[in-house]
Amino acid sequence: QVQLVQSGAEVRRPGASVKVSCKASGYIFTTYALQWVRQAPGQRLEWLGWIIAGNGNTQYSQKFQGRVTFTRDTSASTAYMELSSLTSEDTAVYYCARDRVDDSGYDLDYWGQGTLVTVSS
Amino acid sequence: DIVMTQTPFSLSVTPGQPASISCKSSQSLLHRDGKTYLYWYLLKPGQPPQLLIKELSNRFSGVPDRFSGSGSGTDFTLKISRVEAEDVGVYYCMQTIQFPLTFGGGTKVEIK
Repeated sequence: QVQLVQSGAEVRRPGASVKVSCKASGYIFTTYALQWVRQAPGQRLEWLGWIIAGNGNTQYSQKFQGRVTFTRDTSASTAYMELSSLTSEDTAVYYCARDRVDDSGYDLDYWGQGTLVTVSS
Repeated sequence: DIVMTQTPFSLSVTPGQPASISCKSSQSLLHRDGKTYLYWYLLKPGQPPQLLIKELSNRFSGVPDRFSGSGSGTDFTLKISRVEAEDVGVYYCMQTIQFPLTFGGGTKVEIK
């Protein structure tokens, strides 16, 4: 069965960076993409961007451009999201979600369990 | 960016009664492939979002048939024919026709 398992909760100081991992199993990693979404306390879900696992191509939300980086390790079937220059407004649960890669709309079907990132001085 | 507007903000429902959630998009979600890219998710505390409905009206694997999605263009509805206790949580609509992907503000469903 498809599973996405994310790394554990993180606490960071303002100005620091954080890297969250998302390990995939139950499907061929390189034939899909991974989307990244977050939810800050009391806020709606917010899209960060995606990475196509096969070729590593990325697209980032304009809001996070320059501050977020997606990478992947195909040998480990794992995707990573790194967010830098953290502020308290980046405190949120971060999710990865699987998505197909084709000419149709996007299709976030299976999600990771979420990683809580807390930014506090 | 496509703006997603969801109503109501919250719902209190008696078990066995129906519930309905509305979602409106600022642009049509009808793709050139003929499908409408409107998704519904349920978010429960401490759990990842659960996909309920994809592409307007298709129930995801394992989703009970009391959940149904309908609508067209820019107006959409999620219906629960008979609410059960396990249906509590926050429901979100999401458009997946174009980047940036955007979500509604959520509807909190609780049991009376």
